[in-house]
Amino acid sequence: DAGVIQSPRHEVTEMGQEVTLRCKPISGHDYLFWYRQTMMRGLELLIYFNNNVPIDDSGMPEDRFSAKMPNASFSTLKIQPSEPRDSAVYFCASSLSSQGAEQYFGPGTRLTVT
Amino acid sequence: GIQVEQSPPDLILQEGANSTLRCNFSDSVNNLQWFHQNPWGQLINLFYIPSGTKQNGRLSATTVATERYSLLYISSSQTTDSGVYFCAVRGYSGAGSYQLTFGKGTKLSVIP
Repeated sequence: DAGVIQSPRHEVTEMGQEVTLRCKPISGHDYLFWYRQTMMRGLELLIYFNNNVPIDDSGMPEDRFSAKMPNASFSTLKIQPSEPRDSAVYFCASSLSSQGAEQYFGPGTRLTVT
Repeated sequence: GIQVEQSPPDLILQEGANSTLRCNFSDSVNNLQWFHQNPWGQLINLFYIPSGTKQNGRLSATTVATERYSLLYISSSQTTDSGVYFCAVRGYSGAGSYQLTFGKGTKLSVIP
């Protein structure tokens, strides 16, 4: 299996622009997670899906952030409008549904908002 | 929510030395994972170890769930072991809570 795939790997954009990050989970995994890593806050969960349905979005910082999972093999995280404080590395992870299942992480997208 | 503490925060080793990294957590867990974040930022799964002991080459890990800690052992360290080591756990915190809570990490630097 190719593992969790994320694109783009790097994104540089100007403040106010829309940014869309993409993720393809491991085939057969029915949980998908979006995490964000910053120097100040470390790694923190933004939102996760089960069978394409958002379960917990309490980590989404504000309404400028939205996430979708239209099917089992694709998810997007969108920021509109982007701000410099959104600069971070965004990771996508997936897992099987069994309780306590191991999570597998993608390579991350490094976002820089100028 | 569950708290995760890692120690030491920073560690400098001479190549060939051994080391032990520790992870303490505040509640019962059903998932504990160790990751290595390499200098390129990628999170590499090292161990999935909610309890017991596992070994993989020069690395091994032990989790004592009843005492709420886990240890990661690195033997005969190499410069390629440099990076940040994260412990992440998932507690029994109710229905629908599948997130991993990460510690702040141990930054390891192995010098030749």
